[in-house]
Amino acid sequence: AQSVTQLGSHVSVSEGALVLLRCNYSSSVPPYLFWYVQYPNQGLQLLLKYTSAATLVKGINGFEAEFKKSETSFHLTKPSAHMSDAAEYFCAVSVNRADYKLSFGAGTTVTVRA
Amino acid sequence: EAGVAQSPRYKIIEKRQSVAFWCNPISGHATLYWYQQILGQGPKLLIQFQNNGVVDDSQLPKDRFSAERLKGVDSTLKIQPAKLEDSAVYLCASRYDRNSPLHFGNGTRLTVT
Repeated sequence: AQSVTQLGSHVSVSEGALVLLRCNYSSSVPPYLFWYVQYPNQGLQLLLKYTSAATLVKGINGFEAEFKKSETSFHLTKPSAHMSDAAEYFCAVSVNRADYKLSFGAGTTVTVRA
Repeated sequence: EAGVAQSPRYKIIEKRQSVAFWCNPISGHATLYWYQQILGQGPKLLIQFQNNGVVDDSQLPKDRFSAERLKGVDSTLKIQPAKLEDSAVYLCASRYDRNSPLHFGNGTRLTVT
């Protein structure tokens, strides 16, 4: 079975500072990895995904993530935080692209200080 | 294109009552999912439909939860009777095919008192 662990349930950053959200996965087979963002009272929106191509994945809104097999990690970063980045972020793993059975982490809430 | 539509947005019921949620996926999306998101946790898959057939309902508490997708379009998720621990946001998602991303609705927030 696959699972993800997100380190830190809350992250607070200053506007313009680096955003770093940590995700470690556990999977017995090569995983597909995803980051989703959820704004208040909305559904989840895909930020980016890793599907065994390039290990550095660029997503929407200036976010990127790097797949590191040796560290079983898929951390999300953004060089400069904007106020609009305040949201909850979920890392997810799937071992079967065909059926997209996603296992989500518990989420990390990001607040951005002016 | 219109997104995944869910209704109602909010529902408050007492324990042991029944409740139903409705989802209208994006037109042409063959696969539909229901997720349960408890406060402070990530979404958990309850059931997956491919057209009007169930692909996976292994995580669905079948003693109280049921779901259907008549004609392979709209879907309803029902809870009967509800328990306090069913308080959560119920998210519906759909996708066109195996190569396309998931599209989520805004969810239905259920509070069981």
